[in-house]
Amino acid sequence: EAGVVQSPRYKIIEKKQPVAFWCNPISGHNTLYWYRQNLGQGPELLIRYENEEAVDDSQLPKDRFSAERLKGVDSTLKIQPAELGDSAVYLCASSPGTGNGYTFGSGTRLTVV
Amino acid sequence: QKEVEQDPGPLSVPEGAIVSLNCTYSNSAFQYFMWYRQYSRKGPELLMYTYSSGNKEDGRFTAQVDKSSKYISLFIRDSQPSDSATYLCAMTAYGGATNKLIFGTGTLLAVQP
Repeated sequence: EAGVVQSPRYKIIEKKQPVAFWCNPISGHNTLYWYRQNLGQGPELLIRYENEEAVDDSQLPKDRFSAERLKGVDSTLKIQPAELGDSAVYLCASSPGTGNGYTFGSGTRLTVV
Repeated sequence: QKEVEQDPGPLSVPEGAIVSLNCTYSNSAFQYFMWYRQYSRKGPELLMYTYSSGNKEDGRFTAQVDKSSKYISLFIRDSQPSDSATYLCAMTAYGGATNKLIFGTGTLLAVQP
């Protein structure tokens, strides 16, 4: 099993530029999450998908963040335009919808300069 | 006040020591409690999952939940240098994939050989 795959692993961009992160969840996992982890903090949920439907996006800053999960498999998280405060690790996780806990990917470390 | 409080450490112990990691929380609705281990530049990895109050043991790891005190603990026996990582507690009111996890800030543990 490949696990949750994220790319890129690292990204450095200038402020006001756009950036996108990609996530491939574990095969068969219907639920997909994007979390943001600031330095020295625990992850915080941005958005949760059940198949292709965003069922909880209450924490997503919708003025600059967007996400999609086409065909209920891969997902993309986009920031446009990026701000200095967006520097963080963006984690994708997936779950089969039953049982306990999630499986996280290794994350994308974003640095905005 | 944060919903979940966790001492960030760092905590440094000699190899073979018993390690105690703790979290307190304020939301009495939390029923599902997890401990994740996060190595540097990796995503969180689920270690232990418990429901309601009580103890759960898995090898060198023991998780304890005291709902009356809103206090959870993770004990690591015979600690090894490979246990050096950040340990995150997480909790939620509902099981399965339907509810977001609330994480502590994580405790950085260093086990010295």
